[in-house]
Amino acid sequence: QVQLQESGPGLVKPSETLSLTCTVSGYSISSGYYWGWIRQPPGKGLEWIGSIYYNGRTYYNPSLKSRLTISRDTSKNHFSLKLTSVTAADTAMYYCARDRSLDIWGQGTMVSVSS
Amino acid sequence: DIQMTQSPSSLSASVGDRVTITCRASQGIRNDLGWYQQKPGKAPKRLIYAASSLQSGVPSRFSGSGSGTEFTLTISSLQPEDFATYYCLQHNGYPWTFGQGTKVEIK
Repeated sequence: QVQLQESGPGLVKPSETLSLTCTVSGYSISSGYYWGWIRQPPGKGLEWIGSIYYNGRTYYNPSLKSRLTISRDTSKNHFSLKLTSVTAADTAMYYCARDRSLDIWGQGTMVSVSS
Repeated sequence: DIQMTQSPSSLSASVGDRVTITCRASQGIRNDLGWYQQKPGKAPKRLIYAASSLQSGVPSRFSGSGSGTEFTLTISSLQPEDFATYYCLQHNGYPWTFGQGTKVEIK
């Protein structure tokens, strides 16, 4: 079955770049679907960050667009998130998920922004 | 942005109760809406897609309805494992947006 797994540092310093990868197993990300990122600050609701379509086209939340890059490596069957100039407000659980309606989710990875 | 107004923000209910959660979209989104259940420390799980289609493996006590701007998630008979937080998501227009969530607690 299709599985998604997030990975990356759990602690990032303010003003630095947050980098996460979502590795997909059981399906080729270049075959179909949107592949996206969602985050959830502690005790708060969900926010869609952005997605990359199977053809490589990207879609970003305007609230993050100036700091955000989502890319993919089809040879490794993973897609990645880079968020620059992070602050404490970027502290959150970060999830990756498949498709527009987010049918399959990774387990999430907690990222804290702190010096 | 399309705003999703979800209500109530929380509710207390007993096992066996019928529970209804509503999401209103600030503009029409056809049926591009999903419902998700999240338990503490876990990733959200999709329950309903395309506003009214039941995700495979999800109990039939969950149902979704609506189209356009008003949507409803109904749990026909609340079970102990249903106590969780529920979110709606619209994926009709960018940015995709979630409702604020509804926490379903034990009465």
